[in-house]
Amino acid sequence: NAGVTQTPKFQVLKTGQSMTLQCAQDMNHNSMYWYRQDPGMGLRLIYYSASEGTTDKGEVPNGYNVSRLNKREFSLRLESAAPSQTSVYFCASTKRQGGNEQFFGPGTRLTVL
Amino acid sequence: DQQVKQNSPSLSVQEGRISILNCDYTNSMFDYFLWYKKYPAEGPTFLISISSIKDKNEDGRFTVFLNKSAKHLSLHIVPSQPGDSAVYFCAASPSHSGGYQKVTFGIGTKLQVIP
Repeated sequence: NAGVTQTPKFQVLKTGQSMTLQCAQDMNHNSMYWYRQDPGMGLRLIYYSASEGTTDKGEVPNGYNVSRLNKREFSLRLESAAPSQTSVYFCASTKRQGGNEQFFGPGTRLTVL
Repeated sequence: DQQVKQNSPSLSVQEGRISILNCDYTNSMFDYFLWYKKYPAEGPTFLISISSIKDKNEDGRFTVFLNKSAKHLSLHIVPSQPGDSAVYFCAASPSHSGGYQKVTFGIGTKLQVIP
């Protein structure tokens, strides 16, 4: 039981490049989330998926897109990376929609030059 | 506008002593509170939670206290151990009646337990 896994662990991009951050969970959870963590700020929600087939914007969705590929996988895409997107990205999941206790992945550290 | 505030960025405590981490909130709609612990290069892990109908919740060495009138909660760790050295995030959300309820996180407090 791996919990929540994320790939890659580290990534460096140039401004304007695109990439997809992958997230998968093996806990049969219904809801999944993408957060970013920046110095001096708490975790901020980018997008979430309450259940398979649905996605919704969070607090800071601009510049990102998501895909809930199936119940296990929830990917985050940066179409045209900007230096302001330099951050640590965490994927999380909860058993049910609205569940507060979130299980987090190990994070992806992204640098945009 | 920070709705969940952790005003102490860091805290150092001797092993065996009590660690007290504090958190204040401003949104009166919050009525469920959580603490997460985060080690470097790992994701946050859930530690303990409390509903607004309680003023205390205990789990082993960890106790969370809630003072609703003061909009304040605190996490007590007794006795503190070196393995407790981590960043602790306070988080809060409104009660949910179905549907996603946004969890708001504080910026974290870095605890160092000195052997």
